[in-house]
Amino acid sequence: EVQLVESGGGLVQPGGCLRLSCAASEFTFGTYAMNWVRQTPGKGLEWVSTISGSSVDSFYADSVRGRFTISSDNSKTTLYLQMNNLRADDTAVYYCATGYYFDNWGQGTLVTVSS
Amino acid sequence: EVVLTQSPATLSLSPGERATLSCRASQTVNSYLAWYQQKPGQAPRLLIYDATNRATGIPARFSGSGSGTDFTLTISSVEPEDSAVYYCQQRGNWPPLTFGGGTKVEIK
Repeated sequence: EVQLVESGGGLVQPGGCLRLSCAASEFTFGTYAMNWVRQTPGKGLEWVSTISGSSVDSFYADSVRGRFTISSDNSKTTLYLQMNNLRADDTAVYYCATGYYFDNWGQGTLVTVSS
Repeated sequence: EVVLTQSPATLSLSPGERATLSCRASQTVNSYLAWYQQKPGQAPRLLIYDATNRATGIPARFSGSGSGTDFTLTISSVEPEDSAVYYCQQRGNWPPLTFGGGTKVEIK
């Protein structure tokens, strides 16, 4: 069974930065696209970013482009999201998920941006 | 950007009734549409992909139909554990990948 475990969330001030990690196991990392999806408490789902299985291509939502960077380390089977210049509206639970349909999800990590 | 509009916002049903959830896209996504179920405190779970295909382990009472811009998720006979929020998502015209706003299914 595919397992995805996110970490790195927490409380950060506006303008600050965080790096999220997603440790993957029980599947061939590097052959699937990987994603970050976020959910504002009590609200809907928002796609944030995708990286292709080869890590050659990456894509971003307009709301985070230029501030967030997605990357992966196949040797560590880990996905990352570097988040810079954080804003209050980035506050959300961040999930990692596999594929272009999100067929496996982690449990999520909460990011709170507040002074 | 493809906007997905889900209706109704809330559906209240008794066990054994049929649930019909709609997802309408602002432009064609062919058949590249998925449905997810999310229960409180949990991550979403993939139910249907490519509009009509059940994901691994999904009960047969869940089915999907549609193509182009109009899609439907049907639960043939709802059970108490089907109480959740259901989201559609498209990958037919991206980036961005987009989600609908969700339909909350309540079981009386």
